[in-house]
Amino acid sequence: AQSVTQPDIHITVSEGASLELRCNYSYGATPYLFWYVQSPGQGLQLLLKYFSGDTLVQGIKGFEAEFKRSQSSFNLRKPSVHWSDAAEYFCGGGGTSYGKLTFGQGTILTVHP
Amino acid sequence: EPEVTQTPSHQVTQMGQEVILRCVPISNHLYFYWYRQILGQKVEFLVSFYNNEISEKSEIFDDQFSVERPDGSNFTLKIRSTKLEDSAMYFCASRGGTGAQPQHFGDGTRLSIL
Repeated sequence: AQSVTQPDIHITVSEGASLELRCNYSYGATPYLFWYVQSPGQGLQLLLKYFSGDTLVQGIKGFEAEFKRSQSSFNLRKPSVHWSDAAEYFCGGGGTSYGKLTFGQGTILTVHP
Repeated sequence: EPEVTQTPSHQVTQMGQEVILRCVPISNHLYFYWYRQILGQKVEFLVSFYNNEISEKSEIFDDQFSVERPDGSNFTLKIRSTKLEDSAMYFCASRGGTGAQPQHFGDGTRLSIL
C-alpha cells in the first residue's frame, strides 16, 4: 500500500540552527512528493514539490528537500531556522500528479530563541 | 496570489443534522479535492472531483457524503446526517489541469458536531 511516514512527531531546535525533517515513502513507482506547512488555524501551504528531474528541489522560505530513491526518503532541510518557522510540517505523496495525496503524521517544529 | 477560499471557518451542528461545507477553488483549476483532519491525526483524503464527476473516493466517503459543483465557481461537501465522529477540520484543495501542478489548499472549515 502507498504510504508516507514522518518518524519524528516533535522536533525542537534553536533559532539559527540547521533543520532536517524526515520523510519516508512507500510507493511502487517514483511518487510525486510534497512538503506543506501548517501554522495554527491555517491551511496547508505548499513549501516545495518533487515531480521528476533534479533530486534537490528548492522551495519557499529558504527550504529545500532532497529525493533519495535508494533510501525512499524526501527530507526537508533548512540551513538556519527562524522563529517564524515554528509550525507543523506535513510530507505528502501521490501516485500521479493529479491524484489523491497521502500524508504523513506531521512533525511539529518548535523553535527556541 | 490566487487562493482557495472556504466558508464557514467554523461550523457547529447538532448530531443528525445536515451540513454543507463550501469551497471556492482557484479560478481555472480543474481538479478538486476534499480532505479532513481529525484533531491530533493526519490529514486524510476524502474525495477527488474532475470533469463534473467523482474520480476517486476513500473508504471514509460513504453514502452520507456527497460533493457537488453547482456552478462554475463553488465546490461543496455535504454530510447528510452528521455523527460525532465527523468532527474534524475539512480542507478543500484544487489543482490546475495541465502539467505538473501541486494541490493548493484552503484554510479549512472546523466542523464541530454536538
